[in-house]
Amino acid sequence: GENVEQHPSTLSVQEGDSAVIKCTYSDSASNYFPWYKQELGKRPQLIIDIRSNVGEKKDQRIAVTLNKTAKHFSLHITETQPEDSAVYFCAATSTGTASKLTFGTGTRLQVTL
Amino acid sequence: DTAVSQTPKYLVTQMGNDKSIKCEQNLGHDTMYWYKQDSKKFLKIMFSYNNKELIINETVPNRFSPKSPDKAHLNLHINSLELGDSAVYFCASSRTGAVDGYTFGSGTRLTVV
Repeated sequence: GENVEQHPSTLSVQEGDSAVIKCTYSDSASNYFPWYKQELGKRPQLIIDIRSNVGEKKDQRIAVTLNKTAKHFSLHITETQPEDSAVYFCAATSTGTASKLTFGTGTRLQVTL
Repeated sequence: DTAVSQTPKYLVTQMGNDKSIKCEQNLGHDTMYWYKQDSKKFLKIMFSYNNKELIINETVPNRFSPKSPDKAHLNLHINSLELGDSAVYFCASSRTGAVDGYTFGSGTRLTVV
């Protein structure tokens, strides 16, 4: 089955700096890679996703990159703000009837003033 | 209107008891999931149903029994609760194949004492 590794487990940045979270996956059949943000005591919420036919996707201050050959994908947050503080999860799946998202272990991002 | 709703939000119970968690979605999705999030924030899949049919059953003790009366509902019954069952349980739903990721419920924090 799929295995997703995520690094770092904790990340502290100053407000205005950039943050990068990296994930690797094992199953070459995986073709969909979402990122979720989970604030304290809340549900995980989808913030951006990328499919295997695209190498990069951007949405305002958030961008994801995908390297299918190396089985790496990354989340980039620019101009970080205190409200970006949360746990971020990457995930991977090969879409199909019996699909399930396999999640990384999470990165706790702390944006300090 | 809440898209994926879970009840109860909090559940405190004694070891050995039996309890149920209910989940309903109004998104028209045909696949629903149960995930367990432990104290380290790891998100692990337990079960998945597609159109009321069980399609994923990870290595979960037999004390956990899901039931899907229709494709908008997925309940989780837990028998003989143990201390190690304490966690946050998230229900989620998606279109078949998880092609757009999941929508999560707000979670049920189960504490076994």
